[in-house]
Amino acid sequence: SYVLIQAPSVSVAPGQTARITCGGNNIGSKSVHWYQQTPGQAPVLVIYYDSDRPSGIPERFSGSNSGNTATLTISRVEAGDEADYYCQVWDSSSDHVVFGGGTKLTVL
Amino acid sequence: EVQLLESGGGLVQPGGSLGLSCAASGFTFSSYAMSWVRQAPGKGLEWVSSISATGGTTYYTDSLKGRFTISRDNSKDTLYLHVNSLRAEDTAVYYCAKDIVLLPSAYFDYWGQGTLVTVSS
Repeated sequence: SYVLIQAPSVSVAPGQTARITCGGNNIGSKSVHWYQQTPGQAPVLVIYYDSDRPSGIPERFSGSNSGNTATLTISRVEAGDEADYYCQVWDSSSDHVVFGGGTKLTVL
Repeated sequence: EVQLLESGGGLVQPGGSLGLSCAASGFTFSSYAMSWVRQAPGKGLEWVSSISATGGTTYYTDSLKGRFTISRDNSKDTLYLHVNSLRAEDTAVYYCAKDIVLLPSAYFDYWGQGTLVTVSS
């Protein structure tokens, strides 16, 4: 089955840029989606189809996907961005939804 | 406004069964695939199951197939998950989530707030 690998944690100072990666075999051939989850809350979609932003999501959030790595980039990080971030794909070979293990973003 | 409201969670003994529901509103329920995603305490998101808009196609994560059954009633705008032979490791918050298309194949644009299932004696 398809596996997505995320680093458990990323730390960044306010105002800096956070890059959260999601690794998978030839992930560039799939569509990657990203969710933000704060403690006690349901996940919220922040990026879909690699780089599209839902309405209401700040332009500071962007995404890219190529080769074996997809990346969620958060520019000018704010304290409110501190959360867990999950990547997700649809694996058509198994008809399964696949989530990465999640990355905890800490704003120093 | 899209709303997804899960119910049916609670404390259940190992080996027991439980039925979860997700009442949908604010969109044409019968036009979209739906899914269940769970999250054990302190752990990440785990996809459980998905169902097509008509209910004619269902998918399950391999480890749960056979114990979990997803279904929907489009006349009641409600998604269901029936779980059997519950184990301690099934303890989790169970979320329902809306897909963006008829068949499970994309991403989830709306999530419910979740219902907690605790399996313990």
